[in-house]
Amino acid sequence: EAGVTQSPTHLIKTRGQQATLRCSPISGHTSVYWYQQALGLGLQFLLWYDEGEERNRGNFPPRFSGRQFPNYSSELNVNALELEDSALYLCASSLGGLRYGYTFGSGTRLTVV
Amino acid sequence: DQQVKQNSPSLSVQEGRISILNCDYTNSMFDYFLWYKKYPAEGPTFLISISSIKDKNEDGRFTVFLNKSAKHLSLHIVPSQPGDSAVYFCAASAEGNQFYFGTGTSLTVIP
Repeated sequence: EAGVTQSPTHLIKTRGQQATLRCSPISGHTSVYWYQQALGLGLQFLLWYDEGEERNRGNFPPRFSGRQFPNYSSELNVNALELEDSALYLCASSLGGLRYGYTFGSGTRLTVV
Repeated sequence: DQQVKQNSPSLSVQEGRISILNCDYTNSMFDYFLWYKKYPAEGPTFLISISSIKDKNEDGRFTVFLNKSAKHLSLHIVPSQPGDSAVYFCAASAEGNQFYFGTGTSLTVIP
């Protein structure tokens, strides 16, 4: 069974540009979560999608947005990139119940220069 | 506002000894807790969980303890092995919502 896949692995963007990060959940998983891991800050919750709907979002500005497609894959968009957006972005999926936690992908390393 | 805190950024332990990783939380609504392990260049992997109705859960060499009154949980690894060297994150959720993660503790097990 394929795990959670994220693309691209690495992404370098210039300040002010837009970045698009993609995530494919484990087959059958309907919930997708996005987290940001900036240096020294642990995993900060960004967005939660379930069945195509945004269920919750963390304390991030509106230029962080996303969507979930009918096949449950998801996209994270970051507009007007700032230097401090440089981080590892992790996507995770679950069946909808959290009792067994999430399964994480390996992440997308975004570097803003 | 960090609702889940891991105050020790790093920990070094001799192989065969006990590793104790600590985690504190502030939200009394948290009712489910997880520990994850992360190697460099990989996503975190689930290790062990505990519900707020329990105070201990054991899985092989890993035991998680929960002290609700102190809003504190800990992960014990006995005996510690070099392959346990990784960053460990604790996470908590309330009422089936998303998990909040701590900042991680980097464990080094010295052979």
